[in-house]
Amino acid sequence: DIQMTQSPSSLSASVGDRVTITCRASQNISRYLQWYQQKPGKPPAVLIYATSILQPGVPSRFAGSGSGTDFTLTISSLQPEDFATYSCQQSYNIPPTFGQGTNVDMK
Amino acid sequence: QVHLQESGPGLVKASENLSLTCTVSGGPISRHYWSWIRQPPGKGLEWIGNIYYNGRTDYKPSLQSRVTMSADTSKNQFSLKLTSVTAADTAVYYCARLQNSRYGPMDYWGQGAVVSVSS
Repeated sequence: DIQMTQSPSSLSASVGDRVTITCRASQNISRYLQWYQQKPGKPPAVLIYATSILQPGVPSRFAGSGSGTDFTLTISSLQPEDFATYSCQQSYNIPPTFGQGTNVDMK
Repeated sequence: QVHLQESGPGLVKASENLSLTCTVSGGPISRHYWSWIRQPPGKGLEWIGNIYYNGRTDYKPSLQSRVTMSADTSKNQFSLKLTSVTAADTAVYYCARLQNSRYGPMDYWGQGAVVSVSS
């Protein structure tokens, strides 16, 4: 299985901050990388797929980049509704695997 | 708007079988792949498997011996069966739709079914 490692595991930030989360794959996954946002008690929601394509309805302050093994999710200006857990997921091969998640909380 | 809803027992005894059903509304199941994913308390997401309407399946290798998925197009449902459960199978179980292929993102999710395994 491809292992997905996110960093950091958690971070504290303020509204308006620029936030960056990284995800590293244990092998080349091309651009088959998704980012999900999950709030407590709710299912995950896809933000970005294929590394950099925003799911319809997702604000443009979210952006994804990378290829191969190293990927980044950037929130350009953190908003109150963005405090949540973010997880990456590779779909390069079966089984798809997720990172352990990054919890973004309020500083 | 596509809507997914998991249903099934919330409590299962150890060594018995877990069975969940996902009912899909807002579109036929015959046009997408569908997944089961679980999340143990306080932990990350774990993919269990995929199913296509024609019965084609992919399972996580470490669970393959205990997992069976099926689809019923007449009811627009798909199901998960996990045998011989242990405490390690305690989790929130989600069903989800794969957006455009078996390698696509999961774009619609159910609200999740909490399943606890008792000893």
